[in-house]
Amino acid sequence: NAGVTQTPKFQVLKTGQSMTLQCAQDMNHEYMSWYRQDPGMGLRLIHYSVGAGITDQGEVPNGYNVSRSTTEDFPLRLLSAAPSQTSVYFCASSYQGLAGANEQFFGPGTRLTVL
Amino acid sequence: KQEVTQIPAALSVPEGENLVLNCSFTDSAIYNLQWFRQDPGKGLTSLLLIQSSQREQTSGRLNASLDKSSGRSTLYIAASQPGDSATYLCAGTSGTYKYIFGTGTRLKVLA
Repeated sequence: NAGVTQTPKFQVLKTGQSMTLQCAQDMNHEYMSWYRQDPGMGLRLIHYSVGAGITDQGEVPNGYNVSRSTTEDFPLRLLSAAPSQTSVYFCASSYQGLAGANEQFFGPGTRLTVL
Repeated sequence: KQEVTQIPAALSVPEGENLVLNCSFTDSAIYNLQWFRQDPGKGLTSLLLIQSSQREQTSGRLNASLDKSSGRSTLYIAASQPGDSATYLCAGTSGTYKYIFGTGTRLKVLA
């Protein structure tokens, strides 16, 4: 199993540009999520999904869109990039436990810089 | 709002020492708790998961416990090695799909 994969690994954007961060998992996990990691602030949840066709907002959803058309893929879209979105983005997946997310597995991250 | 504090923020110890990392939640109603390791510039590696019916988990030299009455968790590392140098993160969920993360403890083990 490849686990959780993310592309690209690095990206530089100009303010106002749009892009999609890709995330895929081959473990048949129902639950997938996107986090951003900023110095001194830990990981913050952006959006999450509990299954194909179902998404919900996390702690910092503004400026980001997601969709979940398949179990395997959970792309994150930046519609109009801003410098405040410069961060490291992580995708994670897990089995859905009895009440919520179970053990999470993380991808290697995408390092995004917005100029 | 659930918040997570990890103490200490940074720690430097000589090789061979036993050490304890602490994690505390403002809301003690924690359902699942997970400890991670993160190496510089890398993703997160899952170390231990304590599920709702459990109080502790062990893997090799690592032991994690959760006191649900206080909302506090500890990660115990026995006989530390230079290869243990990394940032250690704890994260918990209160029975929802939202894991809340601490800001981590940066550990350096000196040879």
